[in-house]
Amino acid sequence: EAGVAQSPRYKIIEKRQSVAFWCNPISGHATLYWYQQILGQGPKLLIQFQNNGVVDDSQLPKDRFSAERLKGVDSTLKIQPAKLEDSAVYLCASSLTSVADTQYFGPGTRLTVL
Amino acid sequence: QKEVEQNSGPLSVPEGAIASLNCTYSDRVSQSFFWYRQYSGKSPELIMSIYSNGDKEDGRFTAQLNKASQYVSLLIRDSQPSDSATYLCAVRPGGNKLVFGAGTILRVKS
Repeated sequence: EAGVAQSPRYKIIEKRQSVAFWCNPISGHATLYWYQQILGQGPKLLIQFQNNGVVDDSQLPKDRFSAERLKGVDSTLKIQPAKLEDSAVYLCASSLTSVADTQYFGPGTRLTVL
Repeated sequence: QKEVEQNSGPLSVPEGAIASLNCTYSDRVSQSFFWYRQYSGKSPELIMSIYSNGDKEDGRFTAQLNKASQYVSLLIRDSQPSDSATYLCAVRPGGNKLVFGAGTILRVKS
């Protein structure tokens, strides 16, 4: 079974530029999550989708971050404009259902904002 | 007060010893608790989940939960160098949102 796929794996941009990340969850997983993990910290949930609807985006900085999950499969996370403090690893995870125990994480995208 | 607190470490143990990792949480309504392992540069992977007070064993790993004290721990018996990683405690206060601690770095010395 293929795992959660993410691209790109690494991205370096300058502040005020925009960037987009892509995630393809495990086939059949209804729930998709985007986390931000700053160096030395645990992952922080940015947004949770159930199929193509948003369940929780309370910690998403909506003035600069946006996310979508069209057709309830792939998802993209966008930052526009980026700030220095956005430097982090962006992790995508998926689970079979919204109450499933196990969240499976992708390899992450390491973003560096200069 | 942070929702999930862990000692950042590093916790250093000799090979073959028991490693004890601790976590406290602030939300009393939390019902589900998880331990994730994260190797350097890799993504987290689930190693243990626990829902009831007491101990839960899985191979060399034992998770312990005390809801009255809002405390969860992970014991790793016969620690191996391959266990060297950051261990993340995660709590699910409701729905399926996970709240992670900052993690404890474990180093197992051979």
